[in-house]
Amino acid sequence: ILNVEQSPQSLHVQEGDSTNFTCSFPSSNFYALHWYRWETAKSPEALFVMTLNGDEKKKGRISATLNTKEGYSYLYIKGSQPEDSATYLCAPIGSARQLTFGSGTQLTVLP
Amino acid sequence: ETGVTQSPTHLIKTRGQQVTLRCSSQSGHNTVSWYQQALGQGPQFIFQYYREEENGRGNFPPRFSGLQFPNYSSELNVNALELDDSALYLCASSAPGTGINQETQYFGPGTRLLVL
Repeated sequence: ILNVEQSPQSLHVQEGDSTNFTCSFPSSNFYALHWYRWETAKSPEALFVMTLNGDEKKKGRISATLNTKEGYSYLYIKGSQPEDSATYLCAPIGSARQLTFGSGTQLTVLP
Repeated sequence: ETGVTQSPTHLIKTRGQQVTLRCSSQSGHNTVSWYQQALGQGPQFIFQYYREEENGRGNFPPRFSGLQFPNYSSELNVNALELDDSALYLCASSAPGTGINQETQYFGPGTRLLVL
């Protein structure tokens, strides 16, 4: 079972601030990493699937980078808006070829 | 395009009972995965089905079992319920791909199970 750590556990930012969070995972036997956004009372929503070292993906104001050699991924949100409030989950895939989710970073954007 | 649906939305059972949760995959998706999310944790992988066959299993006991039907809908069955089985159960479907879960998974809203 992969040891996946996400930090911080929770985060409060003001509207308009930019923010970032970290997902750490074992660097050996890496296949891919998924990022999801999960708003309260909704289904988890896929943000990115990343596979290559140095990968950078972008979706609107949200972007993510991947470093498979050192075992981390960063998620960035530029100019946070209240609708960005959600829990952000990462899920790397290792040798078991299954998604192993971290506990998530709970983001609250204050108006 | 119809999304992933799950039923029921909520369920209360007592210890020792059996439960069946249902999932209807997104159109065109032949792979379904089930996850358990306990309070304060991320979703934990239970198992995955691909074309009606189990295609990987997480660290869950045999009393957690599943089925996938020809229309790619799926069931999660849990026998001999324990208090610790209280959780949100999520299913996720994905399109045919390389088989190592690089494809995006589309989640349903979950079934919240309470075991008393």
